[in-house]
Amino acid sequence: EVLLLESGGGLVQPGGSLRLSCAASGFTFSNYAMAWVRQAPGKGLEWVSSLSGSATTHYADYADSVKGRFTISRDKSDHTLYLQMNSLRVEDTAIYYCARCQVAAVTADWFDPWGQGTLVTVSP
Amino acid sequence: SYVLTQPPSVSVAPGQTARITCGGDNIGMKSVHWYQQKPGQAPVLVVSDDSDRPSGIPERFSGSNSGNTATLTISRVEAGDEADYYCQVWDSGSNYVFGIGTKVTVV
Repeated sequence: EVLLLESGGGLVQPGGSLRLSCAASGFTFSNYAMAWVRQAPGKGLEWVSSLSGSATTHYADYADSVKGRFTISRDKSDHTLYLQMNSLRVEDTAIYYCARCQVAAVTADWFDPWGQGTLVTVSP
Repeated sequence: SYVLTQPPSVSVAPGQTARITCGGDNIGMKSVHWYQQKPGQAPVLVVSDDSDRPSGIPERFSGSNSGNTATLTISRVEAGDEADYYCQVWDSGSNYVFGIGTKVTVV
């Protein structure tokens, strides 16, 4: 069974940092691109970042709203996806979901499955 | 940036058919994917590539896409289908784009 389990969320002050983790199991991690998608309280889904699978040319991309502040990475050895979040803002408050893509490249694709999410709250 | 337009809400009686639209400029040229999200839960893929159903998704869920509108159709609606539904596409200029979501209420 394919499973994704996020951790690392919490309460942080504006300007602070957090690192989210997503532990993957049940599939060959390096063969798939991975993504972070967030959902602000009571709002819709917003793509945050994607990272290609280790089996293909390295490529990472970010939503304009987080570019320059967030960094996505992956560790092949422990099957974990990360999101380093710096210079956090109140508007970054959201549930952050980890999701698997269907191919190794960051391209036209869909997200399946999703993790259960981890809540990040940015507040003074 | 590419924009997807969904109605905020759709109401449907049990046993009837719900149709949720997703509008976008020439969306018929893109692949559209649909997610179901129940309260307090993570999204779940219900239709990929316009009309493909993942394993475990009931046949009551179907999709179509043409012109400027994609549609998710839920036949013989059940109380358990109450949820928010999001459409999603990939656009070369905007990357992954989601619609605002449609709340389906079974009345």
